Amino acid sequence: RKEVEQDPGPFNVPEGATVAFNCTYSNSASQSFFWYRQDCRKEPKLLMSVYSSGNEDGRFTAQLNRASQYISLLIRDSKLSDSATYLCVVIFKAAGNKLTFGGGTRVLVKP
Amino acid sequence: EPEVTQTPSHQVTQMGQEVILRCVPISNHLYFYWYRQILGQKVEFLVSFYNNEISEKSEIFDDQFSVERPDGSNFTLKIRSTKLEDSAMYFCASRAGTGKGTDTQYFGPGTRLTVL
Repeated sequence: RKEVEQDPGPFNVPEGATVAFNCTYSNSASQSFFWYRQDCRKEPKLLMSVYSSGNEDGRFTAQLNRASQYISLLIRDSKLSDSATYLCVVIFKAAGNKLTFGGGTRVLVKP
Repeated sequence: EPEVTQTPSHQVTQMGQEVILRCVPISNHLYFYWYRQILGQKVEFLVSFYNNEISEKSEIFDDQFSVERPDGSNFTLKIRSTKLEDSAMYFCASRAGTGKGTDTQYFGPGTRLTVL
């Protein structure tokens, strides 16, 4: 089983709509969770860390469900500039601080 | 805002040649990393480096790879004898290691390595 799994998409989203997608991770002994954003042929950029209580940053909301071993990202009022690949990233305990990436979920926001 | 820089942005080399990819991490950061991303695939961890030594490496990071921090600012990845399958985007990342958000790694823009 892959360590971090994501639906590759693409999620085609009308501008202004809400989109949400999940990421599952295989190891219950996981330490930290993040969502990164990657534009085509660019570096991953931190979007937000994901905390146990869930957290919100503007139009973005992240949730963590440790019991079911998944995290989610919700984007409200989608903008054209939100079009990107969203990478789920996990730091597993006893794995140092290396980041383990999912394959990414591609989101395309259309006018 | 401080950022990680990498040079060159694109490197083309012949199979069997040595390449050195360069990174300048954020100045007060203590932990340094190399990742790679083959076109169309996920980002993969290669190696982490702290206190002038490798702290962890992946199976990909075999004897053909080495890392070095030759001075107080640069962090390099050397591939001794490149193979076709080494063609990928190589990302350097750094992490503060102390203070708030110590888990957060910041990525450089990457070096696209093409092995012919």
